[in-house]
Amino acid sequence: KQEVTQIPAALSVPEGENLVLNCSFTDSAIYNLQWFRQDPGKGLTSLLLIQSSQREQTSGRLNASLDKSSGRSTLYIAASQPGDSATYLCAVDNYGQNFVFGPGTRLSVLP
Amino acid sequence: EPEVTQTPSHQVTQMGQEVILRCVPISNHLYFYWYRQILGQKVEFLVSFYNNEISEKSEIFDDQFSVERPDGSNFTLKIRSTKLEDSAMYFCASSVTAGRSLYTEAFFGQGTRLTVV
Repeated sequence: KQEVTQIPAALSVPEGENLVLNCSFTDSAIYNLQWFRQDPGKGLTSLLLIQSSQREQTSGRLNASLDKSSGRSTLYIAASQPGDSATYLCAVDNYGQNFVFGPGTRLSVLP
Repeated sequence: EPEVTQTPSHQVTQMGQEVILRCVPISNHLYFYWYRQILGQKVEFLVSFYNNEISEKSEIFDDQFSVERPDGSNFTLKIRSTKLEDSAMYFCASSVTAGRSLYTEAFFGQGTRLTVV
């Protein structure tokens, strides 16, 4: 059974810092991995999807990497801003029918 | 920009009552999903739906739950007899396709907060 973990659970940084969020999964036989952002009490906003054959994806200040063999993905946020404050969720798609989510990393970017 | 819309945003119901949560997926998407998130816990998969039938469901999705696509645009989740433990945020999602493709990117709605009292 796929298990997804994320570290750290919470992170507080000053504005402008570059930061890395980590995601680990136990079963490397995945189809895709998707990173989401969740604001308090709100829905999930898709940030990036990485297919199992890819090593990384970039969107603006975000860069996500995938090392399938070691069961790891990282989300790199460059030049963090207070508006980046949210919970970041990693989700793994094992066989194209559903995602298994991690518990999230709660990020606070201080002005 | 196309988005998944869910109604209502918040529903309060008495234990034992039936509730129907509604979703309008993105129009060219073919796969539809329901997830839920109990307060303070992980997002959990409930069910996926394709070609007018359930393609996958989790252990949570027991006989009290059902899904339907009653017309060309709506996708609904029904809970027949709600329990206190059904209180959660319910998310609808859709994707163009499923499997090994960039088009499996799932887009989520804003959620319906269900409170069972």
